[in-house]
Amino acid sequence: RKEVEQDPGPFNVPEGATVAFNCTYSNSASQSFFWYRQDCRKEPKLLMSVYSSGNEDGRFTAQLNRASQYISLLIRDSKLSDSATYLCVVNRRPGAGSYQLTFGKGTKLSVIP
Amino acid sequence: GAGVSQSPSNKVTEKGKDVELRCDPISGHTALYWYRQSLGQGLEFLIYFQGNSAPDKSGLPSDRFSAERTGGSVSTLTIQRTQQEDSAVYLCASSSTGGWVTGELFFGEGSRLTVL
Repeated sequence: RKEVEQDPGPFNVPEGATVAFNCTYSNSASQSFFWYRQDCRKEPKLLMSVYSSGNEDGRFTAQLNRASQYISLLIRDSKLSDSATYLCVVNRRPGAGSYQLTFGKGTKLSVIP
Repeated sequence: GAGVSQSPSNKVTEKGKDVELRCDPISGHTALYWYRQSLGQGLEFLIYFQGNSAPDKSGLPSDRFSAERTGGSVSTLTIQRTQQEDSAVYLCASSSTGGWVTGELFFGEGSRLTVL
């Protein structure tokens, strides 16, 4: 099983739609969780952290289920500018003094006018 | 500039040649990461530097790959005897001491390597 798995998509949704992305991780020792966004041929950028209690940032809601090792991202009222690849990211500590951010392959979202 | 700077932005080389890729992290950032991203693939961790600690080299795919970080700042990733499967975008990222907690890595625009 891959360390971080995501549905690659693509998800093609109309403007205004609500869309949800899921992610599973295999290492139960994982400590922190994030969503990054990567625009076409650009570098990844942090979108938001994912907290155990769930958290919201405007139209974006992230949730974590540690028992199921599952992370989700919900985007409400999709905008054209939301079109990008969304990367699920897991932070773990493989050894003393080392911290690794492991990236999923990403889920591609296209918001259609 | 204020961001992570990488050079060259594009590099085309012949199989068997050595290449060096350079990364200038954000000033004051103690952590530096190298990742690579092949077409349609996710980011693959290569190596991590944190301050003066020994680097975590666990992601380097073979002994043809090496990296160093001089003076706790600039880093160079070297690929010896390049192979076609080395073709990818090599991304450098830096973060402040607490960056690993917040998960915020600041990425450069990457060096696109093409091995013919």
